[in-house]
Amino acid sequence: DAGVTQSPTHLIKTRGQQVTLRCSPKSGHDTVSWYQQALGQGPQFIFQYYEEEERQRGNFPDRFSGHQFPNYSSELNVNALLLGDSALYLCASSPNIQGWQETQYFGPGTRLLVL
Amino acid sequence: ELKVEQNPLFLSMQEGKNYTIYCNYSTTSDRLYWYRQDPGKSLESLFVLLSNGAVKQEGRLMASLDTKARLSTLHITAAVHDLSATYFCAVDRHNTDKLIFGTGTRLQVFP
Repeated sequence: DAGVTQSPTHLIKTRGQQVTLRCSPKSGHDTVSWYQQALGQGPQFIFQYYEEEERQRGNFPDRFSGHQFPNYSSELNVNALLLGDSALYLCASSPNIQGWQETQYFGPGTRLLVL
Repeated sequence: ELKVEQNPLFLSMQEGKNYTIYCNYSTTSDRLYWYRQDPGKSLESLFVLLSNGAVKQEGRLMASLDTKARLSTLHITAAVHDLSATYFCAVDRHNTDKLIFGTGTRLQVFP
């Protein structure tokens, strides 16, 4: 089992550009959540996808959007990049099982640098 | 709005000593998690605490949960250098996998 995978591992963009980050969940998991972790801070919840729809959203602007595919993989898109979008972007997956009592599984992250 | 606070933010400990990291949260929540993060790496799950009075131990780390006080602790026993990392607590208020993280505690263990 490959666990949660993310691509790319690192990315450098300039202000105003757009970026797409990708995540494949752990086998058997159908729910994908995205987090942004700025340097020296804790991760912040961006949004969560289940059944190809956005189920929950954190306090992030509409520049942040996402998508989930039928195979449960997911993309995070950020438009009109700002310097403040520089961060580690983490994807986490979990199964949508009633009574699930384990943690989400986090991927290795994509480090985005906006110049 | 749910807020999660950790203290201390930074902890420098000598090997062999004991210490406790505290995690307070502002509203009733279903689950509390502890994670470890090494520099430049992702999050490694340590503990999931589901009910009042829950206590879990793994090696030199022990976590507990007091839902009435809205407090969780991560106790480190006889610290070793390999425990040097940043530790986060996170709360899932409605059991929806939307985690609210604390500020993190950066732990350094020195000889």
